[in-house]
Amino acid sequence: DAGVIQSPRHEVTEMGQEVTLRCKPISGHNSLFWYRQTMMRGLELLIYFNNNVPIDDSGMPEDRFSAKMPNASFSTLKIQPSEPRDSAVYFCASSLREGYYEQYFGPGTRLTVT
Amino acid sequence: GDSVTQMEGPVTLSEEAFLTINCTYTATGYPSLFWYVQYPGEGLQLLLKATKADDKGSNKGFEATYRKETTSFHLEKGSVQVSDSAVYFCALSAGGTSYGKLTFGQGTILTVHP
Repeated sequence: DAGVIQSPRHEVTEMGQEVTLRCKPISGHNSLFWYRQTMMRGLELLIYFNNNVPIDDSGMPEDRFSAKMPNASFSTLKIQPSEPRDSAVYFCASSLREGYYEQYFGPGTRLTVT
Repeated sequence: GDSVTQMEGPVTLSEEAFLTINCTYTATGYPSLFWYVQYPGEGLQLLLKATKADDKGSNKGFEATYRKETTSFHLEKGSVQVSDSAVYFCALSAGGTSYGKLTFGQGTILTVHP
């Protein structure tokens, strides 16, 4: 299997622009997680889905952030409008099923908002 | 709520030195405990796990024992290599409202010199 695929790997955008991050989980995995990693705050869980349904979005920082999972093989995390403080590495991870502890991480998207 | 505390880094060692990275946790019930590793430019990957008290997880020469009495899960390796240079994350998965989620520590940067 190719593992979790994320795109783009790097994104540089100007403040106020819309940013869309994409994730393809491992085939057959039913749970998907979006994380944000910064030096100041470490690794934060933003939202997770189980069987394409959002289960917990309590980590989504503001209404500017939204996430969707239209099918089992694709998810997006959108920031609109983006701000410099959104600069971080965003990871997508998937696991076999809800409660299964091993999560497989993608390589991440490094987002820079200027 | 659930939380994980790791020793502050960075940790710098010479090759073949002994490694200990301390990890303590706070959680309700009986969590499962994990160590994840992040190599430069990559996502996190599971290193080892323990699902009940007194269990010892091991992988690639790394070990950690689930100590319920001290709420700890310290990572050890007898002889580190340059290739072990990475960021190490302690994590837990608890039940209840945290079902399906991992709570990560802040990470410890390890640098091994030849």
